[in-house]
Amino acid sequence: EAGVVQSPRYKIIEKKQPVAFWCNPISGHNTLYWYLQNLGQGPELLIRYENEEAVDDSQLPKDRFSAERLKGVDSTLKIQPAELGDSAVYLCASSLGLTGADTEAFFGQGTRLTVV
Amino acid sequence: AQSVTQLGSHVSVSEGALVLLRCNYSSSVPPYLFWYVQYPNQGLQLLLKYTTGATLVKGINGFEAEFKKSETSFHLTKPSAHMSDAAEYFCAVTGTYKYIFGTGTRLKVLA
Repeated sequence: EAGVVQSPRYKIIEKKQPVAFWCNPISGHNTLYWYLQNLGQGPELLIRYENEEAVDDSQLPKDRFSAERLKGVDSTLKIQPAELGDSAVYLCASSLGLTGADTEAFFGQGTRLTVV
Repeated sequence: AQSVTQLGSHVSVSEGALVLLRCNYSSSVPPYLFWYVQYPNQGLQLLLKYTTGATLVKGINGFEAEFKKSETSFHLTKPSAHMSDAAEYFCAVTGTYKYIFGTGTRLKVLA
């Protein structure tokens, strides 16, 4: 079974440019997460989807970040315009649900963004 | 509210020695606890998890952890370290539909 797939793996852009990341979760997983991981830190939640609904986006900087999960499957995370401080790894994860063992999150390999 | 504290951002052990990575949590609801491992330029891989039931949980690669409610701890151990265990380890807690991660412990294994 394929895991969580993210693309691209690496992205280098100039500041003020837009950038988008794509995530394909594990088939059948209703819950999808986007996490931000700064160097030397643990992941921090940006947004959580239940199917196509964003149920927790309190940590998403909405002035420049946006996300969507059309049809409740794939998701994209966009930054426009990017700033130097956005350089980090963006991780996507998915889980079956919200209770018990269903909460186990499976992570993709991440997209490492470098803003220059 | 939930939080996780990992004691020691860097831990070094000799090959063959005991590995002990510490994790303490705070949770206002019954927690689910996880340990993830991250190799360079990789995503997070689940080592083990505690949801309910047995408090001593065994995971992959010979790791295990014990949930101690009275101490609010979920320390990760492995009896004998291997060079391939060198990586970053994250403890996480959930219970309110959101994972809260610790800041990670980088494990170095010395030959």
